[in-house]
Amino acid sequence: SQTIHQWPATLVQPVGSPLSLECTVEGTSNPNLYWYRQAAGRGLQLLFYSVGIGQISSEVPQNLSASRPQDRQFILSSKKLLLSDSGFYLCAWSVWGTTGELFFGEGSRLTVL
Amino acid sequence: AQSVTQLGSHVSVSEGALVLLRCNYSSSVPPYLFWYVQYPNQGLQLLLKYTTGATLVKGINGFEAEFKKSETSFHLTKPSAHMSDAAEYFCAVSPGSGNTGKLIFGQGTTLQVKP
Repeated sequence: SQTIHQWPATLVQPVGSPLSLECTVEGTSNPNLYWYRQAAGRGLQLLFYSVGIGQISSEVPQNLSASRPQDRQFILSSKKLLLSDSGFYLCAWSVWGTTGELFFGEGSRLTVL
Repeated sequence: AQSVTQLGSHVSVSEGALVLLRCNYSSSVPPYLFWYVQYPNQGLQLLLKYTTGATLVKGINGFEAEFKKSETSFHLTKPSAHMSDAAEYFCAVSPGSGNTGKLIFGQGTTLQVKP
């Protein structure tokens, strides 16, 4: 069966520090991968999605970047965090050409102080 | 372009009462429709989905939803609310066959269940 893991689960970082959130998927090949953010009181915001290794699409301009160094690994990064980067980050995967159903990770809570 | 509107950002019901969470969508092609649930500090979990076939879809935890094309709606219901149903619920749409897998989500509805 397929599983998805994110880490770290919780992170408290000072403004201006770097960020790295990692997500891995097991049990499937060539998944579509996604990073979403939930800010307090707001819905789900799609940040990045990837249809293959090295292929990253950005949905909104921001202080963050994403990379996909391996088929089932998706990394969210920042060189210098802003207060506005605080939120709950969710990684998800889907299979291209199917219903579009997303399978989500457990989430990573980022607090920037 | 597709969109999803969830009517009511907060819904409060008493334990044992009917749960009704409203979702309307806009889509130029036959849609696939989803309901997800999110408990605090957790990821989203699929409750149910409509793709094709029977318009009344049953999901986990006693929830069901009915696809009504004429009303462009996909409301979520449960006959009797439990305290454990308190969570945030998201409706989502994808454009059907040939899609790229990018779901469009509503803004979410927080369900409060009172004892």
